[in-house]
Amino acid sequence: DVKVTQSSRYLVKRTGEKVFLECVQDMDHENMFWYRQDPGLGLRLIYFSYDVKMKEKGDIPEGYSVSREKKERFSLILESASTNQTSMYLCASSPPSGLGQPQHFGDGTRLSIL
Amino acid sequence: GNSVTQMEGPVTLSEEAFLTINCTYTATGYPSLFWYVQYPGEGLQLLLKATKADDKGSNKGFEATYRKETTSFHLEKGSVQVSDSAVYFCALSENTGNQFYFGTGTSLTVIP
Repeated sequence: DVKVTQSSRYLVKRTGEKVFLECVQDMDHENMFWYRQDPGLGLRLIYFSYDVKMKEKGDIPEGYSVSREKKERFSLILESASTNQTSMYLCASSPPSGLGQPQHFGDGTRLSIL
Repeated sequence: GNSVTQMEGPVTLSEEAFLTINCTYTATGYPSLFWYVQYPGEGLQLLLKATKADDKGSNKGFEATYRKETTSFHLEKGSVQVSDSAVYFCALSENTGNQFYFGTGTSLTVIP
């Protein structure tokens, strides 16, 4: 089974802090994704990556950056945390595009910015 | 462009009732379609999928049929259980791309 592991289930940080959310997958997947999930808005794509050192902006990249130095690890960085970034963050991975390839999700990090 | 629209929730049903959650999609090509389930405090888990028109995906008593003529992928279960209480997401992916497009989710609560 694919395992996507997010480093923290719950995290509390202060406004202005630099915050790192880590995600590791064990299935050698090329693609990795970061979403945020908010009530009534579903999942919104922040950033994604198709390969090491490669990144693409999603729908809501403002205030975030990412790092992918190794294939198995994809980090989301909040450069200067703000209260409107309080949310559930979900990491996902998938093989390269192809018929019916699903995304596999971690358990999420519930981040609170005070 | 690509998008997914699913029925608004929340949905509350009694145990053993019949469940339908509607999902329609817009896609520029020939997408694969998915249903994911999210239990409280967890991430999304793949529930079922279908990769071409008229395919039926099924798992754990849930079913959905890929209807190209109506661009729909409605989720059904004949008899829901309390343990089915969760949020359900419909999603599509283009077979030539890597991105997924998710609906906003439908919350289901099953009461004994």
